[in-house]
Amino acid sequence: AQSVAQPEDQVNVAEGNPLTVKCTYSVSGNPYLFWYVQYPNRGLQFLLKYITGDNLVKGSYGFEAEFNKSQTSFHLKKPSALVSDSALYFCAVRVPYSGGGADGLTFGKGTHLIIQP
Amino acid sequence: DVKVTQSSRYLVKRTGEKVFLECVQDMDHENMFWYRQDPGLGLRLIYFSYDVKMKEKGDIPEGYSVSREKKERFSLILESASTNQTSMYLCASSGRLEAFFGQGTRLTVV
Repeated sequence: AQSVAQPEDQVNVAEGNPLTVKCTYSVSGNPYLFWYVQYPNRGLQFLLKYITGDNLVKGSYGFEAEFNKSQTSFHLKKPSALVSDSALYFCAVRVPYSGGGADGLTFGKGTHLIIQP
Repeated sequence: DVKVTQSSRYLVKRTGEKVFLECVQDMDHENMFWYRQDPGLGLRLIYFSYDVKMKEKGDIPEGYSVSREKKERFSLILESASTNQTSMYLCASSGRLEAFFGQGTRLTVV
């Protein structure tokens, strides 16, 4: 069974500082990895994905994430945080579809990111 | 842009009522999903469907059923609503890669 861990319930960062939101995963096989963001009373918005290739992937709103296969991690990063980045962030994993039925995305429990002015 | 539309943003239902949550996607995706979101528990998969009339149980299917009669529409049914089903419900659709989510339905059962 696949699983995702986000070890921090909340991350506090001062505006203008770099931010990191941590994610580790456990799967059999090569994973597809995703980050989503959720603003209050909204659905999830897709930020970025890792499928294959370069370990550093870039996404929306200046976010990027680094895939580390040996550490089974996929941490979300941004060089300079904005107050508007404050939201709930979810990491997700999916094993590539191999036929016979859909494979669901498995999500972590989410990390509240709070950017302080 | 991909669009996933959930029929209601907010719903209030009484205990014992039969409740239908509707979800429609416009990208011809094979896969559709229903999750519920609760504080501290993240997103938990209720059911998913990989084709018309095909469905599979997720992690917490008890008390729920689903229907997928057309490719674009995936319905979640609470046969007899209970207060412990008060939650945020999120529908998603996907092809082979990322999923796209609806805006969510906040259901309160009183």
